[in-house]
Amino acid sequence: AQSVSQHNHHVILSEAASLELGCNYSYGGTVNLFWYVQYPGQHLQLLLKYFSGDPLVKGIKGFEAEFIKSKFSFNLRKPSVQWSDTAEYFCAVNAGRGSQGNLIFGKGTKLSVKP
Amino acid sequence: DAGVIQSPRHEVTEMGQEVTLRCKPISGHNSLFWYRQTMMRGLELLIYFNNNVPIDDSGMPEDRFSAKMPNASFSTLKIQPSEPRDSAVYFCASRGLTSVYGYTFGSGTRLTVV
Repeated sequence: AQSVSQHNHHVILSEAASLELGCNYSYGGTVNLFWYVQYPGQHLQLLLKYFSGDPLVKGIKGFEAEFIKSKFSFNLRKPSVQWSDTAEYFCAVNAGRGSQGNLIFGKGTKLSVKP
Repeated sequence: DAGVIQSPRHEVTEMGQEVTLRCKPISGHNSLFWYRQTMMRGLELLIYFNNNVPIDDSGMPEDRFSAKMPNASFSTLKIQPSEPRDSAVYFCASRGLTSVYGYTFGSGTRLTVV
């Protein structure tokens, strides 16, 4: 069965610090990978996605993620965080290109950015 | 496109009452998902539909929960009878033909059972 692990439950950073949130998945085949963000009191919004091609994916608001197949990882990065990045971040995986299956979400990582 | 529309946004009900949550997916999307989010358990998939057919309801906590999708533009999640432990935010999401597009989530229904 597929699973997604986000190792950091809560990350606290100061503004301008660099961010890296870990995400590992377990599935041996082709995967589609996603990062979602949930701002306080809001719904989940797609931040970026990977399904093929360049393993370095750029998303909105300066976020990027790198798919490393050998490590089963899809870590999220941002060089310089802002207070407005305070949110919860969810990594998700779906098996197989064009799959009709459901996304498996990690448990999320809360990011608190101190002004 | 108005996105995924959920109603109501907030619901407060007494224990034992029936609660019905509603979702209108994005037009043209053929998959619909119901999730529950709590502090303790995070985001849990309850059930999902492909082309209005329930595919996997293994996440539905117990028989008190039921979900229907009578047509491509409407789904309901019903809890009868409701209990305080059902208090959570319930999200509906829809997706197009393939998973490469990810999901689009609705704004959620915050349910409080007192």
